[in-house]
Amino acid sequence: QVQLVESGGGVVQPGRSLRLSCAASGFTFSSYAMHWVRQAPGKGLEWVAVISYDGSKKYYADSVKGRFTISRDNSKNTLFLQMNSLRAEDTAVFFCARGIGEIDYWGQGTLVTVSS
Amino acid sequence: DIQMTQSPSSLSASVGDRVTITCRASQSISSYLNWYQQKPGKAPKLLIYGASSLQSGVPSKFSGSGSGTDFTLTISSLQPEDFATYYCQQSYSTPFTFGPGTKVDIK
Repeated sequence: QVQLVESGGGVVQPGRSLRLSCAASGFTFSSYAMHWVRQAPGKGLEWVAVISYDGSKKYYADSVKGRFTISRDNSKNTLFLQMNSLRAEDTAVFFCARGIGEIDYWGQGTLVTVSS
Repeated sequence: DIQMTQSPSSLSASVGDRVTITCRASQSISSYLNWYQQKPGKAPKLLIYGASSLQSGVPSKFSGSGSGTDFTLTISSLQPEDFATYYCQQSYSTPFTFGPGTKVDIK
């Protein structure tokens, strides 16, 4: 069965960096585009970034462009999100998710809290 | 960027009610519209993709329609497990924006 397990969340000070990981299993990881989607506490879903199956194409939300970098290691079935220059408004649960257009599988999320 | 709106933002309904949620895109997105259900503390779940295609394993009480800019999600007979927040999302062009959500709770 498809499994997506995020890790790397935690408490970080404003301006610092954090790297999230997502371990994928149960499907051919290298055949699928992958997304990061976040949800601030008590708020709605915000799409963050997507990476193509081979890592050649990457797209970002305006709110994170230039600060966040999505990447993947198909040899290790792992998705990453490098987050730099973090701000208080980046505080959210970050979900790793699979999909070309629609998102058909989601991880359970990892909480990132940006606070001094 | 394509903006997504949903109405209503919340609704109260009874078990057995027929419920309709509307989603509107700021420009035409053809049929690249998806619907998700999210329960508190859980990851979202895909219900409908391509505006009207039912995701595998999702009960047929859920249905979607529309194209262009106007879309609807209908739940034919609301059951206790359907009380949740519902989001639309466009996958026509990046950024793949979500609507603000519609919370369905018990009357």
